[in-house]
Amino acid sequence: KAGVTQTPRYLIKTRGQQVTLSCSPISGHRSVSWYQQTPGQGLQFLFEYFSETQRNKGNFPGRFSGRQFSNSRSEMNVSTLELGDSALYLCASSLVGGLQLNYGYTFGSGTRLTVV
Amino acid sequence: QQQVKQSPQSLIVQKGGISIINCAYENTAFDYFPWYQQFPGKGPALLIAIRPDVSEKKEGRFTISFNKSAKQFSLHIMDSQPGDSATYFCAASSLANSGGSNYKLTFGKGTLLTVNP
Repeated sequence: KAGVTQTPRYLIKTRGQQVTLSCSPISGHRSVSWYQQTPGQGLQFLFEYFSETQRNKGNFPGRFSGRQFSNSRSEMNVSTLELGDSALYLCASSLVGGLQLNYGYTFGSGTRLTVV
Repeated sequence: QQQVKQSPQSLIVQKGGISIINCAYENTAFDYFPWYQQFPGKGPALLIAIRPDVSEKKEGRFTISFNKSAKQFSLHIMDSQPGDSATYFCAASSLANSGGSNYKLTFGKGTLLTVNP
């Protein structure tokens, strides 16, 4: 059974550019969440999608956006990149659209974004 | 506002020893407390989770102890092995009070565990 697939694994962008990250959840999973991981702030929630609808959003500026397609694949977009956006972006999927004891989320390996 | 405080930041344990990582939370609405393990280059993986209606949960060498009154919970790794060397994150979420719409995990800052052979 394939896990959560994130592409690309590594990305280098210049300040001011925009970037799109992709996440393919485990087959059958309908919920996809995105997290930003940095050494200073740790893991921070960006947003969560279920059945193509954004249900939850974290405290990030509007430059961060996302969407989910009918096949549950999700994309995350960051516009007008800043140096501080350099981070590991993690996608997590869930079978039933939520957190359950002993189940929780399955995370992908992430996309390492470097902004120069 | 850091809602989940994790300590220590790093921990070195000898093989066979007990590793203990502590977390404290502020939001009394939290009712789901998972622990995640992350190896370099990988995403976090769920290790074990607990709800506040029990004070302890054990799975193999991993045990969560939960103190609802103190708003604290901890992870104990018994007989620690070099393969356990990783970063461990505690987390919390509110499920019961969310009406089924809150799936956000609030994470601690992580503990880098090194188990020496």
